[in-house]
Amino acid sequence: DGGITQSPKYLFRKEGQNVTLSCEQNLNHDAMYWYRQDPGQGLRLIYYSQIVNDFQKGDIAEGYSVSREKKESFPLTVTSAQKNPTAFYLCASSRTGLRSGANVLTFGAGSRLTVL
Amino acid sequence: AQSVTQPDIHITVSEGASLELRCNYSYGATPYLFWYVQSPGQGLQLLLKYFSGDTLVQGIKGFEAEFKRSQSSFNLRKPSVHWSDAAEYFCAVGASGGSYIPTFGRGTSLIVHP
Repeated sequence: DGGITQSPKYLFRKEGQNVTLSCEQNLNHDAMYWYRQDPGQGLRLIYYSQIVNDFQKGDIAEGYSVSREKKESFPLTVTSAQKNPTAFYLCASSRTGLRSGANVLTFGAGSRLTVL
Repeated sequence: AQSVTQPDIHITVSEGASLELRCNYSYGATPYLFWYVQSPGQGLQLLLKYFSGDTLVQGIKGFEAEFKRSQSSFNLRKPSVHWSDAAEYFCAVGASGGSYIPTFGRGTSLIVHP
């Protein structure tokens, strides 16, 4: 079955360390997204990519970096510059273009990062 | 820019009772509207979506939602709630033109009492 795989499910990090969260999809979707989820704040967009080798900042990109070298993969690096990185991180993908289905996101199961 | 308001942070219902979760949106044109559900520690799953046409939309798990343009609302309903419906529910609005990235509400946590 097609879907999105995020790893690891749980990750612990010491302050000052960079960590990378993996996101892989086999849905043949062009667009991929990273969201951060904190209790009571809903989903906030970190970065998104509509095509390979291109990505744009979302609402809360500071302290994060991404790459999009392959259509299937969109890893997120949480850098030491991120002041409050403890959160639940969700990766998603969708089609692109003017078709209405471009708005429909498919989500991975998430990665929970805890900074010790 | 589009925005979504879910006025209820928590909703508590008894099993078997009816449910309505509120969602109000702000968007200048006809929006694309969505409801997603999230079980604890999991990703989001699409319950239903509205793009055009019939304003009453049927989704999975017995949920439905009604688009009311005059009230800028897209409330989610279910006639009889099951204990397994306990979860976090998110309303989202997407633009019908231009950027298609949906904007999410803050979510409503549904608690189901036996």
